[in-house]
Amino acid sequence: EIVLTQSPDTLSLSPGERATLSCRTSQSVNSNSLAWYQQKPGQAPRLLMFGSSNRFTGVSDRFTGSGSGTAFTLTISRLEPDDFAVYYCQYYGATPFAFGQGTRLEI
Amino acid sequence: QVQLQESGPGLVKPSQTLSLTCTVSGDSFSNGGHYLNWIRQPPGKGLEWIGCIHRSGTPYYTPSLKSRLTISLDTSKTQFSLTLTSVTAADTAVYYCARDGTDWGQGTLVTVSS
Repeated sequence: EIVLTQSPDTLSLSPGERATLSCRTSQSVNSNSLAWYQQKPGQAPRLLMFGSSNRFTGVSDRFTGSGSGTAFTLTISRLEPDDFAVYYCQYYGATPFAFGQGTRLEI
Repeated sequence: QVQLQESGPGLVKPSQTLSLTCTVSGDSFSNGGHYLNWIRQPPGKGLEWIGCIHRSGTPYYTPSLKSRLTISLDTSKTQFSLTLTSVTAADTAVYYCARDGTDWGQGTLVTVSS
């Protein structure tokens, strides 16, 4: 069973800055099966990235995913007020399709 | 456009069985390759993947819930369901259904309380 650990737990930044969110897996995984989600209060999660670096339909190019092996990163450039939310990574290459614990991005 | 909608009781008594159904619209169940998932989120906490069922009908469960959890598929009704037995307060959560990671229901809060 693969465990995903995200860091930091909370990231405090200002609009216009760059955010770097980390997701580490307990063992090396196929980067084709790593996803990132954004969740706002009271809403279902929204898929941002799949295959670690592919933006889902409608996702701004300010969002960039990268990584391989056990280390993955979601970078959000030029933060906008709408970006402040909780972000989760997920590995879906083998069950259980575990999530990381989340990173809260706050103003 | 694919839409998913969870349905079921919002309150379940401890030790009883929690049953939820997810109705999928705008998608043909005859298209293979999709995983139909159940994810839950306790109040104020993170996401927990609890299980899924492949379009072939094969279910997969998270190890910690495997003994209490059943996920089934009804292709004729384009629905899939979750049954969780012997619930406790720790099972209180918003339960989401999702097709792969791309399409999600709005979530339904299930509270376990007497």
